[in-house]
Amino acid sequence: AQSVTQLDSHVSVSEGTPVLLRCNYSSSYSPSLFWYVQHPNKGLQLLLKYTSAATLVKGINGFEAEFKKSETSFHLTKPSAHMSDAAEYFCVVEYGNKLVFGAGTILRVKS
Amino acid sequence: DAEITQSPRHKITETGRQVTLACHQTWNHNNMFWYRQDLGHGLRLIHYSYGVQDTNKGEVSDGYSVSRSNTEDLPLTLESAASSQTSVYFCASSPGLAGVNEQFFGPGTRLTVL
Repeated sequence: AQSVTQLDSHVSVSEGTPVLLRCNYSSSYSPSLFWYVQHPNKGLQLLLKYTSAATLVKGINGFEAEFKKSETSFHLTKPSAHMSDAAEYFCVVEYGNKLVFGAGTILRVKS
Repeated sequence: DAEITQSPRHKITETGRQVTLACHQTWNHNNMFWYRQDLGHGLRLIHYSYGVQDTNKGEVSDGYSVSRSNTEDLPLTLESAASSQTSVYFCASSPGLAGVNEQFFGPGTRLTVL
């Protein structure tokens, strides 16, 4: 069965410092993986997706994620946080056109 | 522009009442999904549809039903609302083409069952 574990429920960084949101997955085959972002009282927006092409995936707003099969990880990073990055982030695994969501990580950005 | 809309955006109802949440998409997507979002659980799949007249149960389908009579709409019905169904509900759609399909999400409906 497919599952997703987001290792931190909350992450707090200062503006201008790097962001790391951690995600591990469990899948019986090579999965497709996504990161979605949800700003307060908004719907979900796709940040990036991995579909078995390049292992380093670039997304919108300067985010990127690296697929590491040996570690079953798909961590999300950004070199320099901006105040507008404050939101909840979901790591998601896809199977059979359905999505399985992690519990989410709330990112706080301090000025 | 194509979009996905949900109505109402907020709803307060009483235990035992029937409630229907609407979802409408204008992308002509084959696949449509309903999720609920609760603190600490991320989004959990309630029901989904791969096309007209097709519906399937998701992870948390008890107490919910859907019907798909056309491509654009997938209404979600709570047959007899319970306090445990207080949640934020999201509708999503995807093309249903071969390969990996991104899902596009609506703005959500906040449902309170008193």
